[in-house]
Amino acid sequence: NAGVTQTPKFQVLKTGQSMTLQCAQDMNHNSMYWYRQDPGMGLRLIYYSASEGTTDKGEVPNGYNVSRLNKREFSLRLESAAPSQTSVYFCASSDTGFYGYTFGSGTRLTVV
Amino acid sequence: QQPVQSPQAVILREGEDAVINCSSSKALYSVHWYRQKHGEAPVFLMILLKGGEQKGHDKISASFNEKKQQSSLYLTASQLSYSGTYFCGTRIVFGNEKLTFGTGTRLTIIP
Repeated sequence: NAGVTQTPKFQVLKTGQSMTLQCAQDMNHNSMYWYRQDPGMGLRLIYYSASEGTTDKGEVPNGYNVSRLNKREFSLRLESAAPSQTSVYFCASSDTGFYGYTFGSGTRLTVV
Repeated sequence: QQPVQSPQAVILREGEDAVINCSSSKALYSVHWYRQKHGEAPVFLMILLKGGEQKGHDKISASFNEKKQQSSLYLTASQLSYSGTYFCGTRIVFGNEKLTFGTGTRLTIIP
């Protein structure tokens, strides 16, 4: 049982480059999320998807776009990377109701 | 708005007890607790729903006071394996699954 799989695990980008972070879950969860984690700031929600075909902005959506490709996959795109987007990115999924989140192992992104 | 966690950090010896608090300025529907070890993903510990219930998980338990919009996590007779950063996540609306996380409490257990 893989749970939530994120790729890549590490990435270095130059300012202005674009990239897509991939996330897939095999638990048949309806909801999926992208968070970023910065020192001292906890986990902040970038975007989430309550179900296939729907996406909504979280607390810090500027500079990002998302796609809920199907029930399993939820990708995060940085169109023009900036040093302020240097962070650890976590994808998570959850079932509807009173269940906890399952997190992926994270992507450590550095923008230089 | 992020919930406020206190303390920000705590150091304990094995066998000592700890309490971590999580306070919100908004009315809460539920509170989650997670533990994250260094370099790893957060791991779900438990969820508490409004109604003031208390839950247990081995020697880790939690309470939720919806009137005060607060939750507390209790770690009893701490073990080395309890070290990590603890996050509360709050949900204010039933049916909307998104969580807002606190800034975390770093717990260090020393032998």
